[in-house]
Amino acid sequence: AQSVTQLDSQVPVFEEAPVELRCNYSSSVSVYLFWYVQYPNQGLQLLLKYLSGSTLVKGINGFEAEFNKSQTSFHLRKPSVHISDTAEYFCAVSYNQGGKLIFGQGTELSVKP
Amino acid sequence: SQTIHQWPATLVQPVGSPLSLECTVEGTSNPNLYWYRQAAGRGLQLLFYSVGIGQISSEVPQNLSASRPQDRQFILSSKKLLLSDSGFYLCAWSVKDQPQHFGDGTRLSIL
Repeated sequence: AQSVTQLDSQVPVFEEAPVELRCNYSSSVSVYLFWYVQYPNQGLQLLLKYLSGSTLVKGINGFEAEFNKSQTSFHLRKPSVHISDTAEYFCAVSYNQGGKLIFGQGTELSVKP
Repeated sequence: SQTIHQWPATLVQPVGSPLSLECTVEGTSNPNLYWYRQAAGRGLQLLFYSVGIGQISSEVPQNLSASRPQDRQFILSSKKLLLSDSGFYLCAWSVKDQPQHFGDGTRLSIL
């Protein structure tokens, strides 16, 4: 069965510093990978997705993620964070693009001035 | 463009009362529809999904039920709420070859 592990529940970081949010998945078949962001009391917004092709995926708000098949990872990165990036970030996996998602437990990113 | 609406945004209900949360999607046809629950400090748990009118799949046993009376309408219900039903409920939609898109959620508090 598929599962998603987000290795850090909370990541505090100073403004303009780089950040990496880690995500590992377990699946014996090909999957599609997603990162979503959730601001307080709001729904989830798609940051980026990996479907096929280039392993480096660029998303909105300056985020990018790299798909590593051998390590079954899909870590999210941003070279310089802003206060406005403070939010909860969810990694998710699916067998097909329009199908059910399996979510990780989320990582709370807190950007401090 | 496609939009998704959930209401109400917040709801406070006593234990044992009924529940009805509604979700509608505009701008697309025959979407897959989903209900998730997000408990405090936890990830999202898929409760129900639907691939068409009247077709509901339940992912976990629980005190809730779902219905899809129209193509773009998805309703989450309960006859008698429990304290454990508190949480943030999110509706989502998707179509083939597209990722899921989420509504703004309903914050449900049970007293």
